[in-house]
Amino acid sequence: EDKVVQSPLSLVVHEGDTVTLNCSYEVTNFRSLLWYKQEKKAPTFLFMLTSSGIEKKSGRLSSILDKKELFSILNITATQTGDSAIYLCAVEEGGSNYKLTFGKGTLLTVNP
Amino acid sequence: DGGITQSPKYLFRKEGQNVTLSCEQNLNHDAMYWYRQDPGQGLRLIYYSQIVNDFQKGDIAEGYSVSREKKESFPLTVTSAQKNPTAFYLCASRQTGLGNQPQHFGDGTRLSIL
Repeated sequence: EDKVVQSPLSLVVHEGDTVTLNCSYEVTNFRSLLWYKQEKKAPTFLFMLTSSGIEKKSGRLSSILDKKELFSILNITATQTGDSAIYLCAVEEGGSNYKLTFGKGTLLTVNP
Repeated sequence: DGGITQSPKYLFRKEGQNVTLSCEQNLNHDAMYWYRQDPGQGLRLIYYSQIVNDFQKGDIAEGYSVSREKKESFPLTVTSAQKNPTAFYLCASRQTGLGNQPQHFGDGTRLSIL
């Protein structure tokens, strides 16, 4: 069974729209949740969330975690064509191995 | 600049051939990881290593092998036992012992079958 589920799997919007990407998870020993953006090559780090209710913000992107309901959202306001990418959510479990479990990703396409 | 270098960018494998993907980092990170990415799929963990001369299997280790003889290097061999090797392979590293840190990724290697 999938431990990390992202929705939607794909999304097409117009420039200027606001989008919300969802990530739900089910792990027994949660350490942190991470968001990455992947264009053509390396995933690049966006946010790491460890505490509920504290919004992380970077420019037009923001993210928040709900540890009670086991989900996170990534918001992108005033989207631009450069935001087109796969957005990956991953959960790091506690312990000493620091392994990440990834969701399948959301493919975001922003049309001009 | 510090980073993770993967080579080659593209690789072709013939039937029955073993191929090795290189991953080098100069970030002085202790932990290194190999992932496989297929279209429409997230990243799946193949192998990981937290210290030199030690490594563990991930979720899909069958048909792969690794070594960790130096801190900065973690090569992945795709053996002939891996029957469906066509995928995008990503290497990552992470600092440990300094609290919450993200994994950082290389630019990947695309492996195809000839």
